[in-house]
Amino acid sequence: GAGVSQSPSNKVTEKGKDVELRCDPISGHTALYWYRQSLGQGLEFLIYFQGNSAPDKSGLPSDRFSAERTGGSVSTLTIQRTQQEDSAVYLCASSILRNTQYFGPGTRLTVL
Amino acid sequence: TQLLEQSPQFLSIQEGENLTVYCNSSSVFSSLQWYRQEPGEGPVLLVTVVTGGEVKKLKRLTFQFGDARKDSSLHITAAQPGDTGLYLCAGGAGSYQLTFGKGTKLSVIP
Repeated sequence: GAGVSQSPSNKVTEKGKDVELRCDPISGHTALYWYRQSLGQGLEFLIYFQGNSAPDKSGLPSDRFSAERTGGSVSTLTIQRTQQEDSAVYLCASSILRNTQYFGPGTRLTVL
Repeated sequence: TQLLEQSPQFLSIQEGENLTVYCNSSSVFSSLQWYRQEPGEGPVLLVTVVTGGEVKKLKRLTFQFGDARKDSSLHITAAQPGDTGLYLCAGGAGSYQLTFGKGTKLSVIP
């Protein structure tokens, strides 16, 4: 497709389990962002990838969160030992121009 | 830390009414964007404003960037049910990061 895709669309997991969320950016977009959107909150920046540069991980809330981007394209956000407060919608965005971000539909994560 | 305050947080109006939502900050932004997000979807970019005092129109939507580039407004004329959604503003300060407000949740009742 032409847009950003994310999978799965919904994920329900038990507290303490690990989860992996996937993002396929728009082809040719060099920048990729992960955000977290909790109920009643704005978008919380998590991590930013730009080309082959070292990612900006300054928004990751704890060391249980990590992300990688393979081949400058697909990205995976991993949350280890999930906690109930990790429940949120995780959004991925890609861009080729500064400040023009295109978002995927998100993954709704529920930790029981 | 740059913050963007959006108001009102919730807005419910009848079809055909006009409305304005606001996005305010104590910080200066080099650009400001407005997004609309519908349930189960990611935010979709509506407009980017970069010049203080700039006004942009998108059909029934009018966006304004404050002269000091610290605030913005979105005015919708004759609201339609299809305008229902979460409106987010996001400020850019020259780097790749955007600062998002918490959004205004708009419901337009037929």
